[in-house]
Amino acid sequence: AQSVTQLGSHVSVSEGALVLLRCNYSSSVPPYLFWYVQYPNQGLQLLLKYTSAATLVKGINGFEAEFKKSETSFHLTKPSAHMSDAAEYFCAVSPSNTGKLIFGQGTTLQVKP
Amino acid sequence: KAGVTQTPRYLIKTRGQQVTLSCSPISGHRSVSWYQQTPGQGLQFLFEYFSETQRNKGNFPGRFSGRQFSNSRSEMNVSTLELGDSALYLCASSLRDNTGELFFGEGSRLTVL
Repeated sequence: AQSVTQLGSHVSVSEGALVLLRCNYSSSVPPYLFWYVQYPNQGLQLLLKYTSAATLVKGINGFEAEFKKSETSFHLTKPSAHMSDAAEYFCAVSPSNTGKLIFGQGTTLQVKP
Repeated sequence: KAGVTQTPRYLIKTRGQQVTLSCSPISGHRSVSWYQQTPGQGLQFLFEYFSETQRNKGNFPGRFSGRQFSNSRSEMNVSTLELGDSALYLCASSLRDNTGELFFGEGSRLTVL
């Protein structure tokens, strides 16, 4: 069965610092991978998705993620954190490319001034 | 273009009661998925509907059910509520049936007393 592991339930960075949120997946076939963001009291919003077209995926708000098959990883990065980036981030895999997603446990990003 | 609309946003029920939650997808979206979000279990897939047919189902007891109407609107029902059913219930829709790219509503927060 496919699964997703997010390393670190809480990450704290200073404003302007690099953001790195880690995600590892287990899959026997090339997966469809996603990063979603959830702001307080809101639903989830898609940041970016990997669908095998390119290993480096660029998303919204300056985020990007790199698919590394050899490491079964799909880490999310942003060169410079903004206060507005404070939210919870979820990595997800789609086992069947439908509306069923398997989510990681989430990582709360705190941005300090 | 209106987003995914969920009603009600907040509700309080007592154990043993039942509840019905409603979801109106983005216009033109035919796939609707439901997720349960709790602090302990995170985001868990409930079920997915496409063209009024349940296409995927998560590992939830039979007390959880859903349906989709011909206009793609969806409802989910939870019968014989338990304290552990307290959660944020998120609905998501997608344009096609095979992208895994979901658009989420803001959720219905259910509290069971």
